[in-house]
Amino acid sequence: EPEVTQTPSHQVTQMGQEVILRCVPISNHLYFYWYRQILGQKVEFLVSFYNNEISEKSEIFDDQFSVERPDGSNFTLKIRSTKLEDSAMYFCASREDSRHQPQHFGDGTRLSIL
Amino acid sequence: AQKITQTQPGMFVQEKEAVTLDCTYDTSDPSYGLFWYKQPSSGEMIFLIYQGSYDQQNATEGRYSLNFQKARKSANLVISASQLGDSAMYFCAMREENNDMRFGAGTRLTVKP
Repeated sequence: EPEVTQTPSHQVTQMGQEVILRCVPISNHLYFYWYRQILGQKVEFLVSFYNNEISEKSEIFDDQFSVERPDGSNFTLKIRSTKLEDSAMYFCASREDSRHQPQHFGDGTRLSIL
Repeated sequence: AQKITQTQPGMFVQEKEAVTLDCTYDTSDPSYGLFWYKQPSSGEMIFLIYQGSYDQQNATEGRYSLNFQKARKSANLVISASQLGDSAMYFCAMREENNDMRFGAGTRLTVKP
């Protein structure tokens, strides 16, 4: 069964550095998402991406964040000038075109800011 | 404003018993979808079941069923014949016409042997 893959599984970075989290969505999916989950808390929506542009973003997704689909397969989340509070699990998800379809999640990247 | 509310931070159920996890939502859109996901301790998000706002029947998927009460804006998840492997966090989520999926705070279910 096709799945969303995320790399790396764990990223440790010094505060102030930039990180890029990578995702390969399921190949026939058209909508892509990033979510964040701080340890023990709820899953928070960051951004959705469709047709090579951001379709929706939350208040969390400020100028520190950016997303890109640099080629036909990868979908990346860049976090600039990382802060301690950026430490969290970051999930990528994708779905087919139909609104009735669920989002399929990757296994997440655990980001630890030191 | 909170759009998805899960009022039970934690629930316990005896193995082989049924359990209901509550979810209420708030929307003015006529068209929306409701989803339940399971997150075991390993961290992955596993899709369980979907209910569309126009669906006439409650969704079922194996041991999972969704008790959809549209007028009350509730979409409770019922797990029948609980198994030890059902112990996990369970998240209710909603996708509206013009907003992508948002999640509730989750309910931690513990199945006791």
